[in-house]
Amino acid sequence: LAKTTQPISMDSYEGQEVNITCSHNNIATNDYITWYQQFPSQGPRFIIQGYKTKVTNEVASLFIPADRKSSTLSLPRVSLSDTAVYYCLVETGGGNKLTFGTGTQLKVEL
Amino acid sequence: EADIYQTPRYLVIGTGKKITLECSQTMGHDKMYWYQQDPGMELHLIHYSYGVNSTEKGDLSSESTVSRIRTEHFPLTLESARPSHTSQYLCASTHSGTGRTETQYFGPGTRLLVL
Repeated sequence: LAKTTQPISMDSYEGQEVNITCSHNNIATNDYITWYQQFPSQGPRFIIQGYKTKVTNEVASLFIPADRKSSTLSLPRVSLSDTAVYYCLVETGGGNKLTFGTGTQLKVEL
Repeated sequence: EADIYQTPRYLVIGTGKKITLECSQTMGHDKMYWYQQDPGMELHLIHYSYGVNSTEKGDLSSESTVSRIRTEHFPLTLESARPSHTSQYLCASTHSGTGRTETQYFGPGTRLLVL
């Protein structure tokens, strides 16, 4: 399983764009990159998933360079409710077991 | 909204008691997982199942056991609870993908406190 590295914490203010970068140097050809969000006392919740280039949904964008050794989760115009832990995962196709790292604690202030 | 449920949500119990944490999903997912997470720490996979009658140990050693007699049900049992078992236990499920990986859906978790 590919190991991921992401910042332990980030601070931002409401209305700003937040970019969280994740490194996954030994990502395999069949691996996808997935981001989850977790609020205190809740289970993680899927945010976005991608394989290459750019993926966008209603809550975030995911940018993946050509070498796929890193990825960046972009949250546009964050609000206080975006304060959470964000996990970057690399997983092999087929729905196999996930390995969660320590995640990035995002704190959004007024 | 994911249909995966865990009961109880909170449990305070004395040392030596036997407990079973329930997890059920109504999505027909064949793969199910149990994670353990201490406050402010990362999730650790302790058990998983690829389908009925399939159970595997995860990356973190655990004294708990699991069973998978029905597709929708994946209970976790501690035969003799100890204070070191105090933690949050999260259940998840996913459908087997073919190539593209599938999202894992998590339950709300069970917070266990062993006195």
